[in-house]
Amino acid sequence: GDSVTQMEGPVTLSEEAFLTINCTYTATGYPSLFWYVQYPGEGLQLLLKATKADDKGSNKGFEATYRKETTSFHLEKGSVQVSDSAVYFCALSDRKGFKTIFGAGTRLFVKA
Amino acid sequence: EAGVAQSPRYKIIEKRQSVAFWCNPISGHATLYWYQQILGQGPKLLIQFQNNGVVDDSQLPKDRFSAERLKGVDSTLKIQPAKLEDSAVYLCASSSPTGLASYNEQFFGPGTRLTVL
Repeated sequence: GDSVTQMEGPVTLSEEAFLTINCTYTATGYPSLFWYVQYPGEGLQLLLKATKADDKGSNKGFEATYRKETTSFHLEKGSVQVSDSAVYFCALSDRKGFKTIFGAGTRLFVKA
Repeated sequence: EAGVAQSPRYKIIEKRQSVAFWCNPISGHATLYWYQQILGQGPKLLIQFQNNGVVDDSQLPKDRFSAERLKGVDSTLKIQPAKLEDSAVYLCASSSPTGLASYNEQFFGPGTRLTVL
């Protein structure tokens, strides 16, 4: 069945460091791909999305590119801030939007 | 615009007791989801409704879990009887996919943290 694998955390970085959180997926067909973020004490919220191969999703300085050839959707940010400390979830959804599968999440700590 | 509302926020029960969670989705959202998020894991879909019909309940433990969405608006999720392994955060989400939407943005509520002792 479909699945999402993301790098284990926690990831600890200093402010202004470069961030990469790896995500790979297994799916039949052509899923849509998402990154959700969960800040401490809050619910999950959509960070960015990509709906087809080579699409780049971006928001709040974060980017991820849908790579069909490597079945990957890695999250990147050039300069992290303390406020980026959160848990990040990679997810996929089928084209009908009838099933969303989440990865296990990666916790990010950013130190001042 | 009001977000997804859930109650209660926290619940502690003894094993073998029953418990119910309530969710009110964003107004106008036809699709409603219940997820179970065990500590350290990603959310796992339990059930998905489209209006008041079930689209997917393949991962719902039907011997103890039940869910309904009467009138296609708010929804309740029930566990009876609860087991220790049901301790988790139960998340409700809603979305409003168009007929040929190629993606599905879900809006999540704050969750209900259940502890089974």
